[in-house]
Amino acid sequence: DTAVSQTPKYLVTQMGNDKSIKCEQNLGHDTMYWYKQDSKKFLKIMFSYNNKELIINETVPNRFSPKSPDKAHLNLHINSLELGDSAVYFCASSPRIILNYGYTFGSGTRLTVV
Amino acid sequence: TQLLEQSPQFLSIQEGENLTVYCNSSSVFSSLQWYRQEPGEGPVLLVTVVTGGEVKKLKRLTFQFGDARKDSSLHITAAQPGDTGLYLCAGMDSSYKLIFGSGTRLLVRP
Repeated sequence: DTAVSQTPKYLVTQMGNDKSIKCEQNLGHDTMYWYKQDSKKFLKIMFSYNNKELIINETVPNRFSPKSPDKAHLNLHINSLELGDSAVYFCASSPRIILNYGYTFGSGTRLTVV
Repeated sequence: TQLLEQSPQFLSIQEGENLTVYCNSSSVFSSLQWYRQEPGEGPVLLVTVVTGGEVKKLKRLTFQFGDARKDSSLHITAAQPGDTGLYLCAGMDSSYKLIFGSGTRLLVRP
């Protein structure tokens, strides 16, 4: 009965590889997000989708490509992984992008690029 | 770029003590949220404050939004070891982005 679930929990891969992280929410929320948390625990927004439509696209390298097949899923594909991509990636959802609803976060995917 | 600075960065206190965490910005936010994050988990929403000057209480936690909606504080009364964690404030900006603060790591010693 997990609200926002991400897979995998841990991902260790070599530089240059391509990898994907999957996210699903069963809360019926319209909006989903990807955040990146660095080693200093700073959380920075990467992307936001509202009903499968890209709403927010922060200054993120083109190697990162989100995909939302339906409003319950938001996946993140990363091409040509670099050492600096190592971080914890969090998926989150909220009922609607506007107003002041709190976000529900997944438990994160720790990506380590070696 | 809007920034939310939290202070202190680290706080280690004895069980039973009171503490206050501050979240400051030069920008105005439509709302301010507080989250707590534990190791290996995602942030969990504690509260959302919307109106300037608003005060909300959640058991031993008291949250306040500044009159100008640029700052907020979190006060914990009689801290317990279960309060240990990373506390994050987050402001909703005018383009509906939730901007997170730099975080405060709290350790409550038994």
